[in-house]
Amino acid sequence: GAGVSQSPRYKVAKRGQDVALRCDPISGHVSLFWYQQALGQGPEFLTYFQNEAQLDKSGLPSDRFFAERPEGSVSTLKIQRTQQEDSAVYLCASSSLDGGQSSPLHFGNGTRLTVT
Amino acid sequence: SQQGEEDPQALSIQEGENATMNCSYKTSINNLQWYRQNSGRGLVHLILIRSNEREKHSGRLRVTLDTSKKSSSLLITASRAADTASYFCATGPSGGYQKVTFGTGTKLQVIP
Repeated sequence: GAGVSQSPRYKVAKRGQDVALRCDPISGHVSLFWYQQALGQGPEFLTYFQNEAQLDKSGLPSDRFFAERPEGSVSTLKIQRTQQEDSAVYLCASSSLDGGQSSPLHFGNGTRLTVT
Repeated sequence: SQQGEEDPQALSIQEGENATMNCSYKTSINNLQWYRQNSGRGLVHLILIRSNEREKHSGRLRVTLDTSKKSSSLLITASRAADTASYFCATGPSGGYQKVTFGTGTKLQVIP
């Protein structure tokens, strides 16, 4: 497919469990972002990758959150010891860099995480 | 934290009417983008306006940008029921990499 793909689409975890959320960006896109979206709110920035380098992780809420993109394509967002406040939709987006100019973000449909 | 705030938070109009949404932001920007989000889906990019542009059109969409007031507006003309969605403005900062920060959104309902 030509779009950004995220899996799983839905995830239910018991409090304390670890979860891993996967993002397949558009092929060739250098930039990859993770966002967290609570119900009725706008997406909140979590972290940013340029190829395999994680250039900004200032939005990660705690050290329970970890993201990686080891080969500069697929990315995984891992949440350890999940808490109820982690319940949200996790969105992944990718974009191409255009000589430093801005380019639109292409979003996946997200993973809805529910922690019970 | 959210960089932008949209106004109004919710808007309900009849099909065929125009819908206007406003966005205010806090810091200097390189560009401002508008996105649409249908329920349960990801965001879809609508239009990007750069900081040196004042107005941009795309089909039934018209975006304005006033960097002196740190504000933007999105006008959807001749609205359709399919325009029902949440609309977000997003800003890319001047300098550095393109960290895109989203506003709080306007929920638009177009009544057939």
